[in-house]
Amino acid sequence: AQTIHQWPVAEIKAVGSPLSLGCTIKGKSSPNLYWYWQATGGTLQQLFYSITVGQVESVVQLNLSASRPKDDQFILSTEKLLLSHSGFYLCAWSLGGAGQDTQYFGPGTRLLVL
Amino acid sequence: GDSVTQTEGPVTVSESESLIINCTYSATSIAYPNLFWYVRYPGEGLQLLLKVITAGQKGSSRGFEATYNKETTSFHLQKASVQESDSAVYYCALGDTNAYKVIFGKGTHLHVLP
Repeated sequence: AQTIHQWPVAEIKAVGSPLSLGCTIKGKSSPNLYWYWQATGGTLQQLFYSITVGQVESVVQLNLSASRPKDDQFILSTEKLLLSHSGFYLCAWSLGGAGQDTQYFGPGTRLLVL
Repeated sequence: GDSVTQTEGPVTVSESESLIINCTYSATSIAYPNLFWYVRYPGEGLQLLLKVITAGQKGSSRGFEATYNKETTSFHLQKASVQESDSAVYYCALGDTNAYKVIFGKGTHLHVLP
């Protein structure tokens, strides 16, 4: 069975500090991977997607970056956090494109920037 | 642009009552829109409830139904008789065939009273 793990579960960080969020998918080779973000009371927004190792496409510019160093790993990061980065971050995978195929989501990471 | 608008929550209904959560979409740059309902139950991850990729077709799952109406650009979620276990946050989403981007609505928080 496929599992998707996100870390950390929650973070409290200071404005201007760096951030790294991780996502690992086990039991599925060459998945399409996605990062989403949802501010409190806001819309769930797709940030990045990756079809293959080493390639990441940006969907929304939020002063964040993403990388896919391994087939089963997706990293979201920034060198300088903003207050507006607070929210809930979700990682997801799909077999086909998310535009027509089912996405499977991780449990999420809650981030509070102070 | 492309967007999804759904019923503002929270929505509160009593058990055994009927339910409609409205969803309308705008797909100005999407050639072949596909429509989804995702759900997050308390304590669980976001998961697919149902999807429809052909206009005019109906999707169903767990007693919920939604019909893809291209004329009214709508994909309303309906259930004839809700249960307390249906309490959750429901997200309408729009995607494009052979694409990786997905646009979500804000989510509708449903409370079902016993």
